[in-house]
Amino acid sequence: GQQLNQSPQSMFIQEGEDVSMNCTSSSIFNTWLWYKQDPGEGPVLLIALYKAGELTSNGRLTAQFGITRKDSFLNISASIPSDVGIYFCAGAPSGGNKLVFGAGTILRVKS
Amino acid sequence: GAVVSQHPSRVICKSGTSVKIECRSLDFQATTMFWYRQFPKQSLMLMATSNEGSKATYEQGVEKDKFLINHASLTLSTLTVTSAHPEDSSFYICSARDLGAQETQYFGPGTRLLVL
Repeated sequence: GQQLNQSPQSMFIQEGEDVSMNCTSSSIFNTWLWYKQDPGEGPVLLIALYKAGELTSNGRLTAQFGITRKDSFLNISASIPSDVGIYFCAGAPSGGNKLVFGAGTILRVKS
Repeated sequence: GAVVSQHPSRVICKSGTSVKIECRSLDFQATTMFWYRQFPKQSLMLMATSNEGSKATYEQGVEKDKFLINHASLTLSTLTVTSAHPEDSSFYICSARDLGAQETQYFGPGTRLLVL
């Protein structure tokens, strides 16, 4: 089945630093989504990308839909303690209605 | 906008009983809802796709008689865990797809099920 490779698996950074994580796939996706999940909660949508090459920002977050449609990255600038959580990428393959999820990136922030 | 609620948020039940979890899209209509299960420190595992007015589509390895899904309206899907056993203890999360938002899914807050 289709898989997404999400990296890094975890990050432990200093408050104020920028963060970058990415997802890659061996197949093409029509939509890329980035979610954040806090412990004991459901994932919350951060950014949705619908077109190859699209670059979208949401506050300190920026995400891009790779031009090959096989990858996406999420950047967080000037991290703060509340950025702590698990970040998941998800992709919608062509012709399908199910999302494929990455394994998640655990972000910890030292203040 | 795009708010999905789940009820209950947590439930403890005895082995052998059935538990119903509700998933509602509060401010949009969703012809398709999804049910996921998540184990600690793992990603989401899709259990089934729930389509309004028709039978749910289950993923391989998920017992449809064990996990009954009903999608009676454009804003409500229910998951019933029948004859629950301790191994069914997990975090269950639903999501709903907004008709006008392509493939974007909005997730509920999850239901923590503990079967004793």
